[in-house]
Amino acid sequence: GAGVSQSPRYKVAKRGQDVALRCDPISGHVSLFWYQQALGQGPEFLTYFQNEAQLDKSGLPSDRFFAERPEGSVSTLKIQRTQQEDSAVYLCASSPNLNEQFFGPGTRLTVL
Amino acid sequence: AQSVTQPDIHITVSEGASLELRCNYSYGATPYLFWYVQSPGQGLQLLLKYFSGDTLVQGIKGFEAEFKRSQSSFNLRKPSVHWSDAAEYFCAVGVGGATNKLIFGTGTLLAVQP
Repeated sequence: GAGVSQSPRYKVAKRGQDVALRCDPISGHVSLFWYQQALGQGPEFLTYFQNEAQLDKSGLPSDRFFAERPEGSVSTLKIQRTQQEDSAVYLCASSPNLNEQFFGPGTRLTVL
Repeated sequence: AQSVTQPDIHITVSEGASLELRCNYSYGATPYLFWYVQSPGQGLQLLLKYFSGDTLVQGIKGFEAEFKRSQSSFNLRKPSVHWSDAAEYFCAVGVGGATNKLIFGTGTLLAVQP
């Protein structure tokens, strides 16, 4: 079956622009996670949804970062007024049961 | 605070040789432990996981890992490395609770020599 998909795969933004990154989880997966992976680092947790409820957003680095999952399926991570330090790969993962997370290919964001 | 340490940033092994990648964690409760592999341009693929029970766990692609509570370690092993194993490997701990978000190490980049 289809895995987690993310779009776009690559995004170049000028500093100060807003961006929106999309995640399509595996159908039926209740849990959805966003992670940020800077170059040469491991992924770092950003936020977690259970269905449409955002239960943990403790990893969001600033109020410029916003995530939503309005119908409990597709999720969007929005970054406002992008800064160079936002350049990273943004990974989405979904899970049926919190015991195993299935990752998408990621969106590589480059802020110039 | 929870953390994961992978002391080896980069490892090179010869094809056919054995492999051990080290992972140490810091977590107050019984950990959920994972090893993921990431190939260039690809997402993370789960190799294996430990939740409880037998401390030696088998995974995909011939990998295994052993949980040692006394050493707070979860090292990944493979008896004979193939060229296709060249990738970056991440150890992670699931911190449990309502989220079970993953805390990752910084990764070990594996190169395989012919």
